[in-house]
Amino acid sequence: AQSVAQPEDQVNVAEGNPLTVKCTYSVSGNPYLFWYVQYPNRGLQFLLKYITGDNLVKGSYGFEAEFNKSQTSFHLKKPSALVSDSGLYFCALRREGGYNKLIFGAGTRLAVHP
Amino acid sequence: GAGVSQSPSNKVTEKGKDVELRCDPISGHTALYWYRQRLGQGLEFLIYFQGNSAPDKSGLPSDRFSAERTGESVSTLTIQRTQQEDSAVYLCASSKPGTANQPQHFGDGTRLSIL
Repeated sequence: AQSVAQPEDQVNVAEGNPLTVKCTYSVSGNPYLFWYVQYPNRGLQFLLKYITGDNLVKGSYGFEAEFNKSQTSFHLKKPSALVSDSGLYFCALRREGGYNKLIFGAGTRLAVHP
Repeated sequence: GAGVSQSPSNKVTEKGKDVELRCDPISGHTALYWYRQRLGQGLEFLIYFQGNSAPDKSGLPSDRFSAERTGESVSTLTIQRTQQEDSAVYLCASSKPGTANQPQHFGDGTRLSIL
């Protein structure tokens, strides 16, 4: 069975500091991994994806994520957080060549303080 | 339009009534998905449409839930005899044709409240 775990309900970071939002996954076969952010009363906004190739993926708004197959992780990172990065972050998984639906983690609320 | 459009943005109705939610995907996106997001939780897959193929209805929680799609355009999600447990945000997403590596683009959702 496929699953995504986001072990932290909330992450608090001071503006200007680096941020990490954690994600681990479980899947048979190769994973396609995605990060989305949700702002209040809005839908999910796509940030980045890992399909194949380089383990370090760069996405929108300065975010990046590192795919680690041995640790089955796909942590989201940003070198310098902004207050405007505050939101609800979701990691999602899709199995290569299999289902088209996304399996989502429960979400991590990121709060960046001035 | 430029993005996925959902209507209404908010819907309040009494228990036992039927509701219909609408999704207008991005033009050219053949794949369309419905998800449910309960308060404070992640997204649950409900149903998936891909072109003229039979939809994947495996996520629909009960036979009170159904969805239709007209060709490769508008979709409607219908909930019959609503229950309080149906209260949630219902999100629609669409993606380009092709392989599963395409990201899904989400609408802003319909916030459904059952009194």
